[in-house]
Amino acid sequence: NAGVTQTPKFRVLKTGQSMTLLCAQDMNHEYMYWYRQDPGMGLRLIHYSVGEGTTAKGEVPDGYNVSRLKKQNFLLGLESAAPSQTSVYFCASRTSGANVLTFGAGSRLTVL
Amino acid sequence: GDSVTQMEGPVTLSEEAFLTINCTYTATGYPSLFWYVQYPGEGLQLLLKATKADDKGSNKGFEATYRKETTSFHLEKGSVQVSDSAVYFCALTSNFGNEKLTFGTGTRLTIIP
Repeated sequence: NAGVTQTPKFRVLKTGQSMTLLCAQDMNHEYMYWYRQDPGMGLRLIHYSVGEGTTAKGEVPDGYNVSRLKKQNFLLGLESAAPSQTSVYFCASRTSGANVLTFGAGSRLTVL
Repeated sequence: GDSVTQMEGPVTLSEEAFLTINCTYTATGYPSLFWYVQYPGEGLQLLLKATKADDKGSNKGFEATYRKETTSFHLEKGSVQVSDSAVYFCALTSNFGNEKLTFGTGTRLTIIP
C-alpha cells in the first residue's frame, strides 16, 4: 500500500550539478505530475504525463526534463542545477477516470 | 487561463473558533473544485471536492459549497481543533483539457489551544 514514493527525500546540490528525482506509483495510474512548491506561490506544475511514453510541459518547465519509460515511474531531471531551483518537489498521480490526485511526501532540493 | 485566488495567510485561531478560508476561481466551462490539505512534513491529500454548481463537499467537519454565481468555494469549519493546523489549498480542474489541476497559493492555518 505504498501509493506514491519519491526518492530522494532530501538533496543538496552545487550550482551546475545534475540530478534525477524518481517518482514511483503502485496504483496503475495513467497520469503523473511533477509540481514544485515555493513559499507564497503554492504549487506550480512543471511537467506531466498522460501515459507511458508521453510527457507534456506545465507552467514552469524550463531547466527540467522528464521521462516516463515505464507506467509506474516518472523521472524529473535537472541537467544543470541553479539556485532558483531550490524548492520542494511533489509528484502526484491519478487514474484517467478520476480527477483526484494522490501525492508523494515530497523531495526537498537545495542548490547552493 | 484557469486561476485560483485564495485568502492570504497565515491564519491563527483559538481552538473551537469558527473557520472560513476564502477561495474564488476563474475558469472556462464548469470546473470541478477541490480543497487539499498539507500537514507538516507531508504531501497534499484531498480534503473535499465538488463537481457541479450548488454541490457541497464535506469531510472531517469541513464544508465548502460550489457557488457558480460568485465563482467561490469557501472552506468552513464550525469548531477547529489543534490537529487542524496545516496548509490548505484550493484547486480546480477544468472540464476542458482536464489533465491539469490548478492550485491556489495555500493558506497556513495555526490553531492554538
